[in-house]
Amino acid sequence: DQQVKQNSPSLSVQEGRISILNCDYTNSMFDYFLWYKKYPAEGPTFLISISSIKDKNEDGRFTVFLNKSAKHLSLHIVPSQPGDSAVYFCAASARGGSEKLVFGKGTKLTVNP
Amino acid sequence: DSGVTQTPKHLITATGQRVTLRCSPRSGDLSVYWYQQSLDQGLQFLIQYYNGEERAKGNILERFSAQQFPDLHSELNLSSLELGDSALYFCASTRQWGRNEQFFGPGTRLTVL
Repeated sequence: DQQVKQNSPSLSVQEGRISILNCDYTNSMFDYFLWYKKYPAEGPTFLISISSIKDKNEDGRFTVFLNKSAKHLSLHIVPSQPGDSAVYFCAASARGGSEKLVFGKGTKLTVNP
Repeated sequence: DSGVTQTPKHLITATGQRVTLRCSPRSGDLSVYWYQQSLDQGLQFLIQYYNGEERAKGNILERFSAQQFPDLHSELNLSSLELGDSALYFCASTRQWGRNEQFFGPGTRLTVL
């Protein structure tokens, strides 16, 4: 039972355009969401997070949108750069108890020059 | 560099053997998490320690065990290894309780032959 789903295994965009990565979740107890970027042979690197009390959070070129009613979040990267090419993981944690993260399977983003 | 270190980087061993993976969290971080990433899978939470005490368990096999020492480093012990245990094992740390993003180490790639 996959509680966090990233339905697009891969995404290819042109440099300078917008990249939109999507994530769906099923557990209504999730109240904190994170995006991580992962390069080959490295550990995941934290990018941006959002609490369920917000519907948008921005950090430079990265914006995360949360739609609680649809149990959907998205990561927008504008403008996309070749260095953004990596695997992006969506993760969620539930209120109360451990802060363990539940991860999606990732989306491989390729930004073409 | 996240500040989380993991050793060894690579480990090749045979079925039935036992191995120990080591993790040193960021300076000052009290919480350590272990995750497993198998082929084409997202990261799966295994276990969490907080200041030396087990805090939460995920889908960790009985053949696997972990501990966190007084200096806060952690070890993950995998015994009676099977081919299916081949995976990347990541350690992550956070400073304290609450909604802090987790910082990941570079991982240990375990290959069981």
